[in-house]
Amino acid sequence: QKEVEQDPGPLSVPEGAIVSLNCTYSNSAFQYFMWYRQYSRKGPELLMYTYSSGNKEDGRFTAQVDKSSKYISLFIRDSQPSDSATYLCAMSRTGANSKLTFGKGITLSVRP
Amino acid sequence: SQTIHQWPATLVQPVGSPLSLECTVEGTSNPNLYWYRQAAGRGLQLLFYSVGIGQISSEVPQNLSASRPQDRQFILSSKKLLLSDSGFYLCAWSRAQGAGNTIYFGEGSWLTVV
Repeated sequence: QKEVEQDPGPLSVPEGAIVSLNCTYSNSAFQYFMWYRQYSRKGPELLMYTYSSGNKEDGRFTAQVDKSSKYISLFIRDSQPSDSATYLCAMSRTGANSKLTFGKGITLSVRP
Repeated sequence: SQTIHQWPATLVQPVGSPLSLECTVEGTSNPNLYWYRQAAGRGLQLLFYSVGIGQISSEVPQNLSASRPQDRQFILSSKKLLLSDSGFYLCAWSRAQGAGNTIYFGEGSWLTVV
């Protein structure tokens, strides 16, 4: 079993839809959870960052962590064509030099 | 604010030729530095990381090497490229004591080996 599993997609939704992107993980030591957004032919950019369980909201984006189920989600409300990108989940343990473990990413297309 | 610069953005190299990709970080000191490769359908693969000058850890045995000659400079090299070295290479940095080791990526370098 891979440490981090992410739905492979691709995912296509109409503009205005609510999008749910999900990752599961197997390592219970993970404490920090992130979502990165990557536009075509660009480097990933940090979108959301959460520590331990709970929700975090930033504009149209909500990150949710359920450590009991080892499941994290990213919700996008009122999706826009500019949200079309690849989304990668990432997570790490505590410790100064703990490295991130990434999901493979899911490509989202928002149709006008 | 911190910025990361990576170059060249695109390059096409023949098999057997050498490679040098460079990366510099501005606005921070003593960062952790990383080289990743991203291949279609395979996600991000960590190649090298460094916690200080001259300190390089290799994650995957391969045809590549890395060096950190200065605190905020990271170089990815190869003496002889293989076709399988083609891909999207990303330099990244994180704060040495940053919470969760959030990393920040450069714009990437597209390498095509022909």
